[in-house]
Amino acid sequence: EDQVTQSPEALRLQEGESSSLNCSYTVSGLRGLFWYRQDPGKGPEFLFTLYSAGEEKEKERLKATLTKKESFLHITAPKPEDSATYLCAVQARGAQKLVFGQGTRLTINP
Amino acid sequence: DADVTQTPRNRITKTGKRIMLECSQTKGHDRMYWYRQDPGLGLRLIYYSFDVKDINKGEISDGYSVSRQAQAKFSLSLESAIPNQTALYFCATEDRGNGYTFGSGTRLTVV
Repeated sequence: EDQVTQSPEALRLQEGESSSLNCSYTVSGLRGLFWYRQDPGKGPEFLFTLYSAGEEKEKERLKATLTKKESFLHITAPKPEDSATYLCAVQARGAQKLVFGQGTRLTINP
Repeated sequence: DADVTQTPRNRITKTGKRIMLECSQTKGHDRMYWYRQDPGLGLRLIYYSFDVKDINKGEISDGYSVSRQAQAKFSLSLESAIPNQTALYFCATEDRGNGYTFGSGTRLTVV
């Protein structure tokens, strides 16, 4: 069974304090790993898709990396507006759906 | 206008009532999905559709039904609502290989 585990459940940082969020996964052949951002009361917003180990993608202060077992979302010099829940999801080859992790709730204090 | 619009945004209903959640999209995507989100359980797939004539059950379809009225419209129904269907419901469309676009969600409370 495909599974996604995110850690930590919650993370509180000071503005400018860099850190990483983890997404560990088990899947029967990876088609893609997805990162989303979700603000309170809103739907998840697409950030990145990673397809193969070693791949990296960046967007502003965020960088996502992928290995055969996990993905990291690195946040460099975060700002309060980066506060949100970050969701990781995987799609297996031949599967029609995404399997989501429970998310990491990130809070950036000014 | 939002790419994926869900109505209503919030709904309180009584146990045993029939309720319909509606979703419409302007992205022109064929693939549409319904998920529910519960604290601690993440997003779970209820139903999905790859075109107007294609409807598929997800992992938690019991107690739910769907209708794909057109490429742009995908509705979720609870035939007889029960309290454990209280959750946040999301509709999404898929741009193949480029992730999902989610609506803003419907917060449903069954009392």
